[in-house]
Amino acid sequence: ETGVTQSPTHLIKTRGQQVTLRCSSQSGHNTVSWYQQALGQGPQFIFQYYREEENGRGNFPPRFSGLQFPNYSSELNVNALELDDSALYLCASSLTREVTDTQYFGPGTRLTVL
Amino acid sequence: AQKVTQAQTEISVVEKEDVTLDCVYETRDTTYYLFWYKQPPSGELVFLIRRNSFDEQNEISGRYSWNFQKSTSSFNFTITASQVVDSAVYFCALSEAAFNKIQGAQKLVFGQGTRLTINP
Repeated sequence: ETGVTQSPTHLIKTRGQQVTLRCSSQSGHNTVSWYQQALGQGPQFIFQYYREEENGRGNFPPRFSGLQFPNYSSELNVNALELDDSALYLCASSLTREVTDTQYFGPGTRLTVL
Repeated sequence: AQKVTQAQTEISVVEKEDVTLDCVYETRDTTYYLFWYKQPPSGELVFLIRRNSFDEQNEISGRYSWNFQKSTSSFNFTITASQVVDSAVYFCALSEAAFNKIQGAQKLVFGQGTRLTINP
């Protein structure tokens, strides 16, 4: 086990609603990354947080936003949910944001949008 | 632009057979890192290995081995004497130093994954 935890495990929402997903990083890690994995696809980078600030973003619209707290845990918020947002959302923590550090993933939150 | 291709969508073999998972990558960066992750049905991505672009030595860890060839932009993964517990989806991923330098973030770019089924 990586020590990275995510909650909730599963979530069902309807189109137009808002959702918040949570991630607790591995002890000692100050960097959290979020990925979206659609069914049958590889994970896609959403953004990364380092010391409470967003420091890199993939091709996702602004309705995807996040927060990182002083204890380095993190939230992913998605507004105005669309059907295509249905996916497994994975959080990963790393020691720092350096390219040399390995990202360790949590078990994910499976979001279904109806 | 960075890209990772895993051409094998699904592979099915009988237990104890050897199996190789292919990974081809594209990058214009000279410094980059390659990864393999395993995703069992539980969904969690399990880290297997990381290699940097300057180290082309092949690596062996138990029944697992990795062959990195810059000349063909490939980073293939072989499981020797496969076991049922090896059944999972395997992902190859790439991280570029340039993105890290410009954006200050580490972004993993994943392939589509290869679903490996080991039959008893």
